[in-house]
Amino acid sequence: GAVVSQHPSWVICKSGTSVKIECRSLDFQATTMFWYRQFPKQSLMLMATSNEGSKATYEQGVEKDKFLINHASLTLSTLTVTSAHPEDSSFYICSARVGAGEGYTFGSGTRLTVV
Amino acid sequence: QKEVEQDPGPLSVPEGAIVSLNCTYSNSAFQYFMWYRQYSRKGPELLMYTYSSGNKEDGRFTAQVDKSSKYISLFIRDSQPSDSATYLCAMSAGNTPLVFGKGTRLSVIA
Repeated sequence: GAVVSQHPSWVICKSGTSVKIECRSLDFQATTMFWYRQFPKQSLMLMATSNEGSKATYEQGVEKDKFLINHASLTLSTLTVTSAHPEDSSFYICSARVGAGEGYTFGSGTRLTVV
Repeated sequence: QKEVEQDPGPLSVPEGAIVSLNCTYSNSAFQYFMWYRQYSRKGPELLMYTYSSGNKEDGRFTAQVDKSSKYISLFIRDSQPSDSATYLCAMSAGNTPLVFGKGTRLSVIA
């Protein structure tokens, strides 16, 4: 089936540094990529929707200058957490719709810990 | 009222039991309905995908959608300890972001 490869799977960084998370669609073209954040024992919260070649659409309350999203190609979308702080520690997951009549497939997630 | 309601559980059943998981929703525009399984610290894994109303079966899993009642279900037959996970219902009106339920934590006890 369609696969979205997400890297890294986990990362620890110091406060004030930036972290980049990559999601690649391996065997299909992801025109649209969705980025989610998930806190322990909670459901997924949509952060932003990115479309290839255009600016991302952010959900209310999500700081677009902190969470930079780039979707430069049909197979690659990146999320950069800039000037990370401990409260940014969370599980970040990307998702893409495989195609008409198909479901949405998810990356394996990135656990970010900011110390 | 939230767009998608799902009982968070936890739900604990003995091995071999039939598990019934449900979600209700309020947005009549939803047409695509999905069930995901999520193990701890992993991304959600698509289990079932259904368009509009009806039933769909895949192995031990059966998904049902009743659009008239705005109610969807996932049945797991002959449940196994490896089925222990969080199950998320999700739905969409089209090429739009998924709207998730809160997820139901399931434990299947050997």
